Amino acid sequence: GAVVSQHPSWVICKSGTSVKIECRSLDFQATTMFWYRQFPKQSLMLMATSNEGSKATYEQGVEKDKFLINHASLTLSTLTVTSAHPEDSSFYICSAPYGVQETQYFGPGTRLLVL
Amino acid sequence: SQQGEEDPQALSIQEGENATMNCSYKTSINNLQWYRQNSGRGLVHLILIRSNEREKHSGRLRVTLDTSKKSSSLLITASRAADTASYFCAALGRMEYGNKLVFGAGTILRVKS
Repeated sequence: GAVVSQHPSWVICKSGTSVKIECRSLDFQATTMFWYRQFPKQSLMLMATSNEGSKATYEQGVEKDKFLINHASLTLSTLTVTSAHPEDSSFYICSAPYGVQETQYFGPGTRLLVL
Repeated sequence: SQQGEEDPQALSIQEGENATMNCSYKTSINNLQWYRQNSGRGLVHLILIRSNEREKHSGRLRVTLDTSKKSSSLLITASRAADTASYFCAALGRMEYGNKLVFGAGTILRVKS
């Protein structure tokens, strides 16, 4: 089956630093990937759609200059949280569609804690 | 708001009982998917039902879809303690809605042994 990986699985950083999270499709190509954020005991909120070879599409209310997305290849999308602050602490999950019905396959998530 | 609604928000049952979770969504969809998430982990895809289907089965899972009411339900039969997790429905909107997956608020299921 389709496998999506994320790296790192968790990261702790100081306020003001930037953090890069990678999302890889391991055994399939993905022209589109999605980035979600999940706060404790809440559902997933779509942040942006990452498009290979073009600009990402951001959801309303998501700052594109703060959450930089680069879809450099058909198997890799990166999310960079710039100048991270404690309120950016969250669980970040990516997904990629695969198959005829475009089932979404999710990465294991990255837990970010900003001190 | 992006999200659909799910009920109940939390459900606690005994092992062996059935668990039913309901979900409502807001836009026209291509399909509706159900996912499971264990605490602090990634999501696992459970089942997908297309907009032209009304019912689907997979093992102990049964999902229904009512597009006129924009609602879906997930039934887990003969529950096990290992079924304890959060369950989310996610509606894949049609192209005009950006072909995006919109998640419901989720149901926290606890199965007591």
